[in-house]
Amino acid sequence: AQSVTQLDSHVSVSEGTPVLLRCNYSSSYSPSLFWYVQHPNKGLQLLLKYTSAATLVKGINGFEAEFKKSETSFHLTKPSAHMSDAAEYFCVVSVSGGSYIPTFGRGTSLIVHP
Amino acid sequence: EAEVAQSPRYKITEKSQAVAFWCDPISGHATLYWYRQILGQGPELLVQFQDESVVDDSQLPKDRFSAERLKGVDSTLKIQPAELGDSAMYLCASSGSGQGRNIQYFGAGTRLSVL
Repeated sequence: AQSVTQLDSHVSVSEGTPVLLRCNYSSSYSPSLFWYVQHPNKGLQLLLKYTSAATLVKGINGFEAEFKKSETSFHLTKPSAHMSDAAEYFCVVSVSGGSYIPTFGRGTSLIVHP
Repeated sequence: EAEVAQSPRYKITEKSQAVAFWCDPISGHATLYWYRQILGQGPELLVQFQDESVVDDSQLPKDRFSAERLKGVDSTLKIQPAELGDSAMYLCASSGSGQGRNIQYFGAGTRLSVL
C-alpha cells in the first residue's frame, strides 16, 4: 500500500522569498516520487522526479526536492518565488507492482503576493 | 513536442444524458490513465490501461462509467447516465516504457458540467 500526505493545503509567500511545499509519503517498497504543477484549467506538468538515483533532485523553473528516506519526506523548494509560480502543486508516489500505479496527494495551492 | 490530446475541452450536459471523452496518448506510450479531478482535490485514478488491457479499474463506478482502448492507442471514457456529482475535470495521461514508464504526461483535460 502507498499513500502521500501534503501537509499544507495553502502556502502564501511574497515574490522573491523562498518556497517550501511539504510532502510525506508511505510505501511498502522503494518508491518513485514526483511533483507536478497545475495552472488553472490546465493539465498537470511534471516538475521533477525521484527514482532512486541522487536524493537531491533538480527540476524545471528552479524547483528542487530532496528525498529523505529516514523522514519519509519529499519536500519541494525554490529559493525565490515568482508570480508565475502561483498554481496548484501535487506530490505523487508510485511503486512498481508489475505496473506503476500512482497515488496523488490532495494538492497545495501556492499563492504568491507582489 | 508530443502531447496527450483530449477532446472536448469543455462539456455541458444535463443529468441522465450520456457523455463521452476521447484521449489520444503520446505516440508509442503503452500505458494510458484516466483520472477524475473534483474541484479543490487531487486527481483520482479511474482506470489504467496497459496497451488494450485494463490494469486497474478499482475506482471506476462501473454501473455508469465505462472505458475502452480497443486497439491499444486512443481511448474513450463514457458516462451513462451522467449525475450531478460527475461534474469534474477528467484528465488523461500516458507513460512510456523503460526508465520513463513511471513518468506521466497529461493532457489539458475535459471539464464536465452536469446540470
